[in-house]
Amino acid sequence: DAGVIQSPRHEVTEMGQEVTLRCKLISGHNSLFWYRQTMMRGLELLIYFNNNVPIDDSGMPEDRFSAKMPNASFSTLKIQPSEPRDSAVYFCASSLSDAPGEQYFGPGTRLTVT
Amino acid sequence: AQRVTQPEKLLSVFKGAPVELKCNYSYSGSPELFWYVQYSRQRLQLLLRHISRESIKGFTADLNKGETSFHLKKPFAQEEDSAMYYCALRAGGFKTIFGAGTRLFVKA
Repeated sequence: DAGVIQSPRHEVTEMGQEVTLRCKLISGHNSLFWYRQTMMRGLELLIYFNNNVPIDDSGMPEDRFSAKMPNASFSTLKIQPSEPRDSAVYFCASSLSDAPGEQYFGPGTRLTVT
Repeated sequence: AQRVTQPEKLLSVFKGAPVELKCNYSYSGSPELFWYVQYSRQRLQLLLRHISRESIKGFTADLNKGETSFHLKKPFAQEEDSAMYYCALRAGGFKTIFGAGTRLFVKA
């Protein structure tokens, strides 16, 4: 298994543009977490899903952010419109439902909004 | 409130010296605690879990409920231990809260 896969690895976009980040879970995992990492705020949990259902999105900073799980193995995080303060590394992680603390992280997407 | 505190942003030690990365948590229930590590240019990965009481790469961590701490220790640091270390708390349900992280630098 290649582990959690994220794409793109790097994204540079202009303010106001729509950004879509993608994540493929490890086969058999059924919990999915999206995090944002910045120097100032560290690792922040944005939203998490279990069995494709969003459980808690209280960490999503604004309505400009949205996340979906169209199927059991794939998720997207969308920012529309993007702003320079959204620049960060975005990680997704997956786990088994009965071990949500044991998360397997993807390599991250480094987003730069100019 | 549920919180994980790692008081040191940077810890620098010499090779062969003991190392202790501090972690304190705030949670009224029964916690599950973890240490994650991120080596340079690698993804964040689980290092150890308190319930396993295991030693991984020479690192151990003991949960002290009285002091609400879960410090990570290694008796003799190696250069390859240089990395970013995150303490994490599973505070019930699916939510896991990460500390701000401590960068460990092991000098030759």
